[in-house]
Amino acid sequence: QKEVEQNSGPLSVPEGAIASLNCTYSDRGSQSFFWYRQYSGKSPELIMFIYSNGDKEDGRFTAQLNKASQYVSLLIRDSQPSDSATYLCAVKYDNFNKFYFGSGTKLNVKP
Amino acid sequence: DAEITQSPRHKITETGRQVTLACHQTWNHNNMFWYRQDLGHGLRLIHYSYGVQDTNKGEVSDGYSVSRSNTEDLPLTLESAASSQTSVYFCASSIRKSTDTQYFGPGTRLTVL
Repeated sequence: QKEVEQNSGPLSVPEGAIASLNCTYSDRGSQSFFWYRQYSGKSPELIMFIYSNGDKEDGRFTAQLNKASQYVSLLIRDSQPSDSATYLCAVKYDNFNKFYFGSGTKLNVKP
Repeated sequence: DAEITQSPRHKITETGRQVTLACHQTWNHNNMFWYRQDLGHGLRLIHYSYGVQDTNKGEVSDGYSVSRSNTEDLPLTLESAASSQTSVYFCASSIRKSTDTQYFGPGTRLTVL
């Protein structure tokens, strides 16, 4: 069973702070990792993906991957109220083009 | 612009009826997926297809079927709708590549009374 775990939250941070979202996965065969943002009533939209150990930065967003510890994180710097959404972690396994999704972490950024 | 669309966006039906949800993409993507999303469960894979005439079962496929007769469309059919199938349904697609991103349609909210 390939499991992807996220804390459901809500995670509340003040505007301008760093929001840290975490995701753990069960299978060491995992190869690619994706973060999606989903606003209430909308479809998931891709923020970024990562497949190498270390950090990957894109604007205010940084994805961090540690395959040895089987976790992937998303940092949001200078959080804005518009970042308030549910963040979904997805894991893709080698040789399969299927994603396994976590249940998501709800982020609230307070003005 | 290329896109992925779903129809209808909202549907109310009765228990026992057959329902078909449409998904259409204009990206010429090989891979297409159907998910359902329920509170506390995240996105769960129902069926997926890697190309024309190819279909595969996901983790929650019971009571659902799909067919892929062309690249653009993957309709999802509920053979005999049940109240447990009340959910939000998302279609997604991706091209065939090892680090593919899946792109999602706007979703269909289905209520089975």
